Amino acid sequence: EPEVTQTPSHQVTQMGQEVILRCVPISNHLYFYWYRQILGQKVEFLVSFYNNEISEKSEIFDDQFSVERPDGSNFTLKIRSTKLEDSAMYFCASQKGISGGEQFFGPGTRLTVL
Amino acid sequence: GNSVTQMEGPVTLSEEAFLTINCTYTATGYPSLFWYVQYPGEGLQLLLKATKADDKGSNKGFEATYRKETTSFHLEKGSVQVSDSAVYFCALSGKGNAGGTSYGKLTFGQGTILTVHP
Repeated sequence: EPEVTQTPSHQVTQMGQEVILRCVPISNHLYFYWYRQILGQKVEFLVSFYNNEISEKSEIFDDQFSVERPDGSNFTLKIRSTKLEDSAMYFCASQKGISGGEQFFGPGTRLTVL
Repeated sequence: GNSVTQMEGPVTLSEEAFLTINCTYTATGYPSLFWYVQYPGEGLQLLLKATKADDKGSNKGFEATYRKETTSFHLEKGSVQVSDSAVYFCALSGKGNAGGTSYGKLTFGQGTILTVHP
C-alpha cells in the first residue's frame, strides 16, 4: 500500500542553523501539507501546496519557512534559522483530490533545536 | 476561525468497556469532520469521516455522527480492545462558501490518549 515517507525521523540542530525536512508524498497525489505538533500541544497546520505553489499558510509559517517540490517526487520544508521554539514533530501529508478526500500522513520528523 | 475541542484525557478503560470521546467544533460554512488515530511511533491515520450533517462515519467498530445542531462529532465504540490504545484526534476541514474552494487544511483538536488494559 502506498505511503507517505519522511526523513530523517529525528533531527537535532543548533539554534540558528538551517534544516531541511524531507517528505515523499504518494505518487498520484496533488495536494501537499506540512503540520507540526509541539510536545503536549495540538497538531497545527503550517502550509498547503498545490500546482507548484503555496495555496494557504498559517501565521506560524513566516519568512523563516519555505517549501519546495524540487523534482516532482520530494516535498521539502526548510527552516532557515532555527529557534528553540521550532522544536516539534513535523508531519507531512498528501491528498489525491480536494473534495472530501483523505489526507495521508507520514510518520513525522522530530526536530530538536538546542 | 475554525476550532475543535476534544474532551480532556487521558482515558483509561478495561477491555470490552464502552468508549466515548467527545468532540465539538466551531466553523463557518459546512465543514467535513474526521477522526484520526495515532499509534505509538506512527503517523496519523484516518479512522473515519463524515462530510455532511447527520452522516455517520464508521470503521473498525468505531462510529461518529455529524450533529450540526450540537456542532459535535463524538467518537464511540461499544467494546474496546487493548489494540485500540492510541491517541485519537478530532479534526475538521473547512469548505468555502458556495462556489468557493478549500485546499483541505485540517484543524485538529488537542488529542485524547486512550489506554486499554486487559
